[in-house]
Amino acid sequence: GQQVMQIPQYQHVQEGEDFTTYCNSSTTLSNIQWYKQRPGGHPVFLIQLVKSGEVKKQKRLTFQFGEAKKNSSLHITATQTTDVGTYFCAVETSYDKVIFGPGTSLSVIP
Amino acid sequence: DSGVTQTPKHLITATGQRVTLRCSPRSGDLSVYWYQQSLDQGLQFLIQYYNGEERAKGNILERFSAQQFPDLHSELNLSSLELGDSALYFCASSSEPTGLSYTFGSGTRLTVV
Repeated sequence: GQQVMQIPQYQHVQEGEDFTTYCNSSTTLSNIQWYKQRPGGHPVFLIQLVKSGEVKKQKRLTFQFGEAKKNSSLHITATQTTDVGTYFCAVETSYDKVIFGPGTSLSVIP
Repeated sequence: DSGVTQTPKHLITATGQRVTLRCSPRSGDLSVYWYQQSLDQGLQFLIQYYNGEERAKGNILERFSAQQFPDLHSELNLSSLELGDSALYFCASSSEPTGLSYTFGSGTRLTVV
């Protein structure tokens, strides 16, 4: 079946440093979504990417969809303590269900 | 407040028991999804309903069942509970069955003792 991988599993950064998480799929994707879950909270939708090579920005966050539509990345510039949480990518399978990657847990050291 | 309401927020029950988790989707959303989140398994898709009909099924155990009612709220029934069923259960909703972002509820934390 379709597999979604995310690396790294954990990342600890000093406040102000950059952070990147990668999402890789075993199959070509129609779209990819990114969610953030704060500790003790629920997943919150960040963005959806649809087009090959698409790049979207939200303030300090930059999202990219690979040319082959099999991978994606989320980059945070100059991390802040408010960025702490787990970042999940989510992909839609051919069976109309959305599966989530295992997530990257980000810790920011003040 | 995301607009998706889940009750109860916390539930503690004994092994072998049966519980029902409830979800009211965001106003206007027809699709409801159930996910299980445990520490070592991440977010596992359980089942999806769209406008009252089951649309997609994931790794849902036979001891678990769900339904979506005419008013679009959904219930997840968990029976013959085991210790390993302890987890956070999230409900999410969207307006269409595919291709759109989800809005998650705040979850129900189930503890089986």
